[in-house]
This record gives sequence, structure tokens and C-alpha cells, in this order.
Amino acid sequence: GESVGLHLPTLSVQEGDNSIINCAYSNSASDYFIWYKQESGKGPQFIIDIRSNMDKRQGQRVTVLLNKTVKHLSLQIAATQPGDSAVYFCAECFSGGYNKLIFGAGTRLAVHP
Amino acid sequence: ETGVTQTPRHLVMGMTNKKSLKCEQHLGHNAMYWYKQSAKKPLELMFVYSLEERVENNSVPSRFSPECPNSSHLFLHLHTLQPEDSALYLCASSQDVTQTGTSHYGYTFGSGTRLTVV
Repeated sequence: GESVGLHLPTLSVQEGDNSIINCAYSNSASDYFIWYKQESGKGPQFIIDIRSNMDKRQGQRVTVLLNKTVKHLSLQIAATQPGDSAVYFCAECFSGGYNKLIFGAGTRLAVHP
Repeated sequence: ETGVTQTPRHLVMGMTNKKSLKCEQHLGHNAMYWYKQSAKKPLELMFVYSLEERVENNSVPSRFSPECPNSSHLFLHLHTLQPEDSALYLCASSQDVTQTGTSHYGYTFGSGTRLTVV
């Protein structure tokens, strides 16, 4: 599942620090947004989601912020751990009929001890 | 194991071969998807099946042929591929919100098939 060879933006953080991964989306009509994590050798895994009528949602160690004015989404990871090292994708959903997800390019998070 | 199983995990095929990728979901979902993930374009949507009907075909070349015999199984038949088709092919499933009224829009992905065309 690794994006070998893909030139992704990389965020390098120290273990224990907080991480912020940003994403810009394209369609102002999108009504649902999701963050996925992809570890090497695996498919993308759901982390957290947020509806367009919200601007913040918290999970365990993760927070997603949505700014519809500038079409920006961010994922905050508290107390980053080595196991958080992965590629992170945001996705926007055009709902109705079926769930069509459009994915961003992804950001590689590298956590250093 | 996510509940979506893809086989094989790795596949090497020649340009004249015919092969098939298989995806099976054990989640009771009624929509299934094929995505291509390559070095040049991450996570491109290829095909969407909702209630076993193909509802989207994103300008995918005819050398890729999907098949959805029932809501639990999805195939991608491959023939006369090109080296640039080498990529990770991901299958996903979801629950169609409008049919069932569920509120979770997210996909569950399989681990993918790493395809190399030689």
C-alpha cells in the first residue's frame, strides 16, 4: 500500500510533538470530509470524519478542523507516536445516490524518536 | 483484516496476458469501488458499483473490465495491459446512504493488489 516513488509533501516531527496536516478541497458543495491513514503495505484506513455543518470534531488523539470559507481541512494529531508514521489523505464526499469520495494527493508524516 | 479482502496481493503479468483481480467484502455493504494508486496519480477512482450496477466509469481504458456478480464480490479483468498500468489497485466498499439511511459515508479499503506489467 505504500506510495513508493510518489513525490509527496513530507511532515517530519519529533515523537511526542503535535502534528498538523493540511488539505485544500475543491468543491464547495461537498458535504462530508474524511481523513485516511495509509501505512506501508496496507490500504487506506479511516481515521475521522466531519460533516460540512461542523467546524471541529475530536477523536482519540486526533482533531479535524474544517474551514468552509477557504475550503481547508486540517488533521491534528496530539503526542505523535512512531506508529503514526504513514501517508495521510483527506477526501471530500459528494453524497447522493452513492458515496463518491475524491482524494487529495496525500502527505507523508515521518515521526522521529 | 478490514473486512475487504483482495487477491492476489501481488501480480506480475506480461502485456499479452489476461488476469483478474478479485475483491470480496464481508461487511454487508452495497456499493463497491476500484481505485488505482500509482506513483504519478494517487488514488484515482476507476469504477463504482452501487447495488451491483455500474454507476461510474471514469474514462478507464477498455483493457480494464470490471464485473460485479453480487454485492459481495467485485472483479477487475485485465488484458493487454501496458507497463504504465503498473500500480496498486485498491478495492473499497461502502453502504449506500440513500438506500439504507445510514450516516457513515466512509469507505473500507482492502490491502490492494500490487500489479507489475512487464
